Amino acid sequence: AQSVSQHNHHVILSEAASLELGCNYSYGGTVNLFWYVQYPGQHLQLLLKYFSGDPLVKGIKGFEAEFIKSKFSFNLRKPSVQWSDTAEYFCAVQPGGYNKLIFGAGTRLAVHP
Amino acid sequence: GAVVSQHPSRVICKSGTSVKIECRSLDFQATTMFWYRQFPKKSLMLMATSNEGSKATYEQGVEKDKFLINHASLTLSTLTVTSAHPEDSSFYICSARDSLTAYEQYFGPGTRLTVT
Repeated sequence: AQSVSQHNHHVILSEAASLELGCNYSYGGTVNLFWYVQYPGQHLQLLLKYFSGDPLVKGIKGFEAEFIKSKFSFNLRKPSVQWSDTAEYFCAVQPGGYNKLIFGAGTRLAVHP
Repeated sequence: GAVVSQHPSRVICKSGTSVKIECRSLDFQATTMFWYRQFPKKSLMLMATSNEGSKATYEQGVEKDKFLINHASLTLSTLTVTSAHPEDSSFYICSARDSLTAYEQYFGPGTRLTVT
């Protein structure tokens, strides 16, 4: 069955620390990949997406993610986090040819000033 | 960016009653909308895919007679939880796929349903 794994359920960082959140998926075919963020009390927002081309994609608010096909991974990174990055982050995979998104369990990030 | 609204944002109902949740795409047309359920501290679970003018496609394990979905126009889909029970209490989120961009989904703010 198709699945998405986010290895870190809860991450606590200090401001200016670097961030990397892991995401692995199980699907052998073509995929579209997404990272969504949910700030406290708000709805899901798209951070970045990968459809094809350069495997290093840049999103909003200084986030980037790298698609490594051989590792079935799409890790999210940010060189220096801010307190305002405190939120829950979801990785999602869209298997090729399908409409639906398959979400990972999410990673709750807390950034302390 | 594209905006998706949901109404109501919160609803409390008695066991055995039915509740309707609306999902609207405000500034774009959505031939496809999706309904998710989010359990506390867990991820979003896709319940069904709603296609304008046709029957919804339900995910395995989701009762179609309990969760009625109607997508009567390009900007509105409704989810009706029939004969609600306390175990149906959850956070229901819809998303809408812009007919023009094809892949990107825009999410609504969610509806918190509490069944007493």
